[in-house]
Amino acid sequence: DTGVSQDPRHKITKRGQNVTFRCDPISEHNRLYWYRQTLGQGPEFLTYFQNEAQLEKSRLLSDRFSAERPKGSFSTLEIQRTEQGDSAMYLCASSLSAGPFAIYFGEGSWLTVV
Amino acid sequence: KNEVEQSPQNLTAQEGEFITINCSYSVGISALHWLQQHPGGGIVSLFMLSSGKKKHGRLIATINIQEKHSSLHITASHPRDSAVYICAVAPNTGNQFYFGTGTSLTVIP
Repeated sequence: DTGVSQDPRHKITKRGQNVTFRCDPISEHNRLYWYRQTLGQGPEFLTYFQNEAQLEKSRLLSDRFSAERPKGSFSTLEIQRTEQGDSAMYLCASSLSAGPFAIYFGEGSWLTVV
Repeated sequence: KNEVEQSPQNLTAQEGEFITINCSYSVGISALHWLQQHPGGGIVSLFMLSSGKKKHGRLIATINIQEKHSSLHITASHPRDSAVYICAVAPNTGNQFYFGTGTSLTVIP
């Protein structure tokens, strides 16, 4: 499988716990994006990486959220001290670069905070 | 104000009908994407456009760069076309994509 893969696909956690999501992009893609999507809404930008450098972070990304892409390949998104409002689908996407390049999405990681 | 606006938000059609979904955007772009999302599923890219028109099977996408507008058409709609269709743009400046809120399409047999 050469697409974007995300793990886990579903996560149910208790409020206050930490969760981590992993994204493996298409191997030759140097851009990696994280988005959050809630029901009835389009994806909202969280952050993106160019290789291992995190170049932009949305104001949606509070200090409880941290993302890394240590070797410029896979990325992790960690949410600390989860709140019910964090319940959403977290989408990862990758592309070759900015501009007119195709963007490929993973299947998403559903988070439910109870 | 969203950089990308889609209409309609919801659309119900009878099988066989011709469907149009519209997307307007307010920024200069290098490309526009039409995406499809099935319930509970990930997102699949249908088209990437920077000018003109593209066709794939029963799907047609057009873009008018001067008017900052794009349309997605589905001919001879089928229940399996039921999904959320999302318009996204790659702006000339900046490094992220902007997404519309999606159009939820239901095609009834």
